[in-house]
Amino acid sequence: AQSVTQLGSHVSVSEGALVLLRCNYSSSVPPYLFWYVQYPNQGLQLLLKYTTGATLVKGINGFEAEFKKSETSFHLTKPSAHMSDAAEYFCAVSSYNQGGKLIFGQGTELSVKP
Amino acid sequence: DGGITQSPKYLFRKEGQNVTLSCEQNLNHDAMYWYRQDPGQGLRLIYYSQIVNDFQKGDIAEGYSVSREKKESFPLTVTSAQKNPTAFYLCASGPSADGSQPQHFGDGTRLSIL
Repeated sequence: AQSVTQLGSHVSVSEGALVLLRCNYSSSVPPYLFWYVQYPNQGLQLLLKYTTGATLVKGINGFEAEFKKSETSFHLTKPSAHMSDAAEYFCAVSSYNQGGKLIFGQGTELSVKP
Repeated sequence: DGGITQSPKYLFRKEGQNVTLSCEQNLNHDAMYWYRQDPGQGLRLIYYSQIVNDFQKGDIAEGYSVSREKKESFPLTVTSAQKNPTAFYLCASGPSADGSQPQHFGDGTRLSIL
């Protein structure tokens, strides 16, 4: 079975500071990994994905994530936080044998202080 | 523009009443999904469908029913058997069942009990 753990349900950073949101996964087969962002009362928007190939993945809005197989991690980073980054972030895992189903972490709410 | 449309945005249910949430997509995706979102619990899969006239239970299917008579449509019925229906419901679609492509999400329906 697959699972995702996001460390920290709430993260607060100052504007201009580094953003680091942690995600660890469990999967018995090669995983596909995704980060989504959700603004209040809206659906989820894809930030970036890892399927195969380069382990450092760049996404929208200046976010990137690195797939580390040895650490079973897929942490999300952004060098400099902006007020508009305040939202909830979800890490999700899938694989070729899951029928397209996504398993989500519990989510991390990011606050950005001026 | 291609996308997923969920309606209504807000819905209220009386005791003993069944209510139906609409989900329509014009992305020509084969697979469609329904998730339930509760604070601090991430997204949990209710039902999914990989092809017309076929669907499978997800992790929390009890008290819910679906149909998939058309490729574009995947309505969810919250029955009176669902004793705690208050939640944010998200519909998603995906181009394939192999899990490597990201799912696209609608803007959700918030269901409350009167």
